[in-house]
Amino acid sequence: DQQVKQNSPSLSVQEGRISILNCDYTNSMFDYFLWYKKYPAEGPTFLISISSIKDKNEDGRFTVFLNKSAKHLSLHIVPSQPGDSAVYFCAASVFSGSARQLTFGSGTQLTVLP
Amino acid sequence: NAGVTQTPKFQVLKTGQSMTLQCAQDMNHNSMYWYRQDPGMGLRLIYYSASEGTTDKGEVPNGYNVSRLNKREFSLRLESAAPSQTSVYFCASKIRGMNTEAFFGQGTRLTVV
Repeated sequence: DQQVKQNSPSLSVQEGRISILNCDYTNSMFDYFLWYKKYPAEGPTFLISISSIKDKNEDGRFTVFLNKSAKHLSLHIVPSQPGDSAVYFCAASVFSGSARQLTFGSGTQLTVLP
Repeated sequence: NAGVTQTPKFQVLKTGQSMTLQCAQDMNHNSMYWYRQDPGMGLRLIYYSASEGTTDKGEVPNGYNVSRLNKREFSLRLESAAPSQTSVYFCASKIRGMNTEAFFGQGTRLTVV
């Protein structure tokens, strides 16, 4: 049973427009959420995060929104650039066992068209 | 700073062979993790080590063993490789217990034939 879901395997947007990537989760114990970006043949790199006590966090062109009641978060990229083309993973964190663990979604391939 | 370094980057094994994937971090992190990435399934946690001297199972531990050699190094061993273990393996590290990001290595692409 997937606790973190990204229902859109792919998304294409025009350069300069907004990209919106979505993520849903089921475990109400998750208290910290992250977005990672991954290029082919590289490891995931951290992009932006949000604590469960907030509903919005902004960093330059990237904004993450959290709707706890809906168990939904989204990543907005404005304006989108061709270099943003990558796979984006949503991750959720909870302290379990002896350490914080990250549970990942299946990823969304974003393609920004010039 | 190298961050998280994984070796090797690529490996082909025959069914039944064994191998060890190496991971080292230079960020003085306590916690280290091993994930596997398969198409359409995201990253799944295999094993983790909260701190030096401790290891725990993650979501998909069967067929793997780990060793936390010291604070810097965390290795993943496949004792008898199976085709189902064909995957890309990522090592990660983070500050223990805090809401901070994990840092990932560049991955090891393993093919078991």
